[in-house]
Amino acid sequence: AQKVTQAQTEISVVEKEDVTLDCVYETRDTTYYLFWYKQPPSGELVFLIRRNSFDEQNEISGRYSWNFQKSTSSFNFTITASQVVDSAVYFCALTESPSGGSNYKLTFGKGTLLTVNP
Amino acid sequence: KAGVTQTPRYLIKTRGQQVTLSCSPISGHRSVSWYQQTPGQGLQFLFEYFSETQRNKGNFPGRFSGRQFSNSRSEMNVSTLELGDSALYLCASSFENRGESGYTFGSGTRLTVV
Repeated sequence: AQKVTQAQTEISVVEKEDVTLDCVYETRDTTYYLFWYKQPPSGELVFLIRRNSFDEQNEISGRYSWNFQKSTSSFNFTITASQVVDSAVYFCALTESPSGGSNYKLTFGKGTLLTVNP
Repeated sequence: KAGVTQTPRYLIKTRGQQVTLSCSPISGHRSVSWYQQTPGQGLQFLFEYFSETQRNKGNFPGRFSGRQFSNSRSEMNVSTLELGDSALYLCASSFENRGESGYTFGSGTRLTVV
């Protein structure tokens, strides 16, 4: 069975601080996909990144970066020089390959509420 | 390219009533999944439809049902509403619902049961 754990329920930082959101996952499949989504107060889940299990390269997109480590089953997300607009709930999610029994669903972590104060 | 459209955005219903929510996926996408989001349980999978066929259903009572039409639009229905059904209902659109094709979510329908 697939499982995603986001141990940090809430994080509060001051603007311009760097912040890392942790994500640990469990899966028995060798082919799987990891995602990060941002949920602002409006409710929509905004896609941030997708990573497949065969691509362990870290990725940087502007102030955002992701560290994928299969050895520790982690897919952490760092925001550099945080801004007030980054305040939102961030979700990490996992889906396995259909042949691996994902049953065509995403499994989400509980989310981390990030508050960036001015 | 239009995004995922969910209607209505907000809904208030009374216990015992039934409700129908609608989701129009991105053009060309054949998979629609539904998720329920509550403060206590987080985001939970309800069901998934692909080319009008339900391929998987989450652990929800039979009061929750859905369907998909030939144009890929999907509806979910909740009968005999309970207070605990108050939640944000999100639908996700995907080309095939395989990890590599990704998922795009709508803005959700916020249901309040009183």
